[in-house]
Amino acid sequence: TQLLEQSPQFLSIQEGENLTVYCNSSSVFSSLQWYRQEPGEGPVLLVTVVTGGEVKKLKRLTFQFGDARKDSSLHITAAQPGDTGLYLCAGAAMNYGQNFVFGPGTRLSVLP
Amino acid sequence: DAGVIQSPRHEVTEMGQEVTLRCKPISGHDYLFWYRQTMMRGLELLIYFNNNVPIDDSGMPEDRFSAKMPNASFSTLKIQPSEPRDSAVYFCASSLGKYGTGNEKLFFGSGTQLSVL
Repeated sequence: TQLLEQSPQFLSIQEGENLTVYCNSSSVFSSLQWYRQEPGEGPVLLVTVVTGGEVKKLKRLTFQFGDARKDSSLHITAAQPGDTGLYLCAGAAMNYGQNFVFGPGTRLSVLP
Repeated sequence: DAGVIQSPRHEVTEMGQEVTLRCKPISGHDYLFWYRQTMMRGLELLIYFNNNVPIDDSGMPEDRFSAKMPNASFSTLKIQPSEPRDSAVYFCASSLGKYGTGNEKLFFGSGTQLSVL
């Protein structure tokens, strides 16, 4: 059983479309991070959210941390082929020694 | 800065052989992490060091795995003997500052793709 669940597992869309991916857990996190991983490379940190209800924007990407700090979403507006990659969420929880635990990821493909 | 450097990028070996993966963290970073990524289990933390000292190795799968950090600029992950189920991508990451605050930033290397035949 995964501590963090991500949905959808796979997503293929056309350039210009909007999309939202989700990260859910039954555990409460002190903070949550989103990473993007491109083929053949390591994950790259996009954002960290720490406050319940927090919303952060990074250009066309909008990140939200749930009020109860158990879930998060990533919304991409007007997706571009450069957004293609594996999106991973990672949560830090007290009962896991504050080590970041990664979800299985959402594999996004944006077609031109 | 060159970032976290891992070698080799790819390693193909036969079951029973010893495998050594290498990592050079970003200069000045005092935390170093080893992760393993597979399709089935995703990205798993194996072990992490603070100032060259192993802090948490609870993710190391079994005694065949060992990790060392002899100095601030070098770490190794060794598998002896290797088995086919060890096939995965192994990542090294480093970070600056106190780990466990929930606000740290991990910088990952490009990984080592290990195939054990």
